Amino acid sequence: DTEVTQTPKHLVMGMTNKKSLKCEQHMGHRAMYWYKQKAKKPPELMFVYSYEKLSINESVPSRFSPECPNSSLLNLHLHALQPEDSALYLCASSQGDRHYGYTFGSGTRLTVV
Amino acid sequence: QQQVKQSPQSLIVQKGGISIINCAYENTAFDYFPWYQQFPGKGPALLIAIRPDVSEKKEGRFTISFNKSAKQFSLHIMDSQPGDSATYFCAASYGGATNKLIFGTGTLLAVQP
Repeated sequence: DTEVTQTPKHLVMGMTNKKSLKCEQHMGHRAMYWYKQKAKKPPELMFVYSYEKLSINESVPSRFSPECPNSSLLNLHLHALQPEDSALYLCASSQGDRHYGYTFGSGTRLTVV
Repeated sequence: QQQVKQSPQSLIVQKGGISIINCAYENTAFDYFPWYQQFPGKGPALLIAIRPDVSEKKEGRFTISFNKSAKQFSLHIMDSQPGDSATYFCAASYGGATNKLIFGTGTLLAVQP
């Protein structure tokens, strides 16, 4: 299995909702990442988990809360988002000690209304 | 010093032609240089990657040329096809998950039939 699987593919949520994005990989990668991507821009790093521990938080607002239940799963919990948070949210994984084989999922298209 | 500069911003190529996208970096610690291809609404897909100990890597119609002394690398797409129309991102990194994968700004390629 060489894929990173993200669910759901599309999500529309109100500003008072709570929702979660899910990411799963079975490549034995020990680092997992959350990115945010706006149209016509490169992905922006949000969080990095290395060996199931949060190692990088790029000053992301607390309305985004990551969770890594085990080495194959990564969640992003969303609460009280703003319309400007609408974007493509990407999960990625890589070998923990190197970036080789850095693989992205297809993303969740999030719309906040 | 952490930037990766990518050019051109957009590129139009005729079917069968050669598409060339260039990237430049400053940080000599970078030791992994991937290229990603992204179609609208999809996550970036790893296309080809190179390490600085080789000057060229070819996979099918895609070739990375790497010039360590000039701190530049480029993607060549031979016999470009309309299906190659996408956004291409170069990137660079060193080390593992505690270091970022630094993306270029992206090139929107359109291959005309």
